[in-house]
Amino acid sequence: EAGVAQSPRYKIIEKRQSVAFWCNPISGHATLYWYQQILGQGPKLLIQFQNNGVVDDSQLPKDRFSAERLKGVDSTLKIQPAKLEDSAVYLCASSDTGSAFDEQFFGPGTRLTVL
Amino acid sequence: SQQGEEDPQALSIQEGENATMNCSYKTSINNLQWYRQNSGRGLVHLILIRSNEREKHSGRLRVTLDTSKKSSSLLITASRAADTASYFCARGYNFNKFYFGSGTKLNVKP
Repeated sequence: EAGVAQSPRYKIIEKRQSVAFWCNPISGHATLYWYQQILGQGPKLLIQFQNNGVVDDSQLPKDRFSAERLKGVDSTLKIQPAKLEDSAVYLCASSDTGSAFDEQFFGPGTRLTVL
Repeated sequence: SQQGEEDPQALSIQEGENATMNCSYKTSINNLQWYRQNSGRGLVHLILIRSNEREKHSGRLRVTLDTSKKSSSLLITASRAADTASYFCARGYNFNKFYFGSGTKLNVKP
C-alpha cells in the first residue's frame, strides 16, 4: 500500500515570497490533515478536511495560509506571504474515517526555511 | 500548554534498560495515541488506548491510562539503539480532534 506522498521535500524562500505544498493521501482515506511542526515541538494541526469539506481550521492563520482539497483527494497548502516564523516542517497525514480512534498515517513532510 | 504536558522532555538510557515517558491532559479524552518520530521513518503510530481501557501492550511497549489523574505512561522495555526517537502523545477529543504534545526525546546509548 502506497503511503502519504508530499512534495517538495525541501523548500527555501525569502520572506514575503509565496510557497505551496502538495499532498496525496492514502487511497480511500476520507480525512486529510495538515500539521506544522516547528523544531523541537510537536505537530500543530493547521487544518483538517473530511472529503473535500473543512472540519477544523481554527489554528490556520487565514490571513496568510490557505488550503484546499479539490475532489476530496489530494490537497495543497499555500503560504502567501511567508514570514520568518513560518520556518518549520509541514506534515500531511490521512486517516480512514477521521474518527479520533483512527490511526493517522503521516507523509515525510516538507521542510520550509524562510530567510 | 492548554492540552497538557509530556515529561521528561529528554531521556538518555543505556541499551537494555527500560524507558518510561508520561503524558498528561486537562479535559476528558476519548482516547490517547502514542507516536514515534525519527529521521528515518517520520511520524509513525505506535499504540492507541481508549478512555475505558487501563493498559495495553504491543510487543515491548506498554501503555497505561489513569483517567482519575488524567495521565498516561508509555513504557519501552529492553530498549535498543533503534528506539532512539522522539515520542509524542496525541490526545483525542470529541471523537474527531487531536492535540499532540511537545514530546519526549529518547536517546538509547549502545
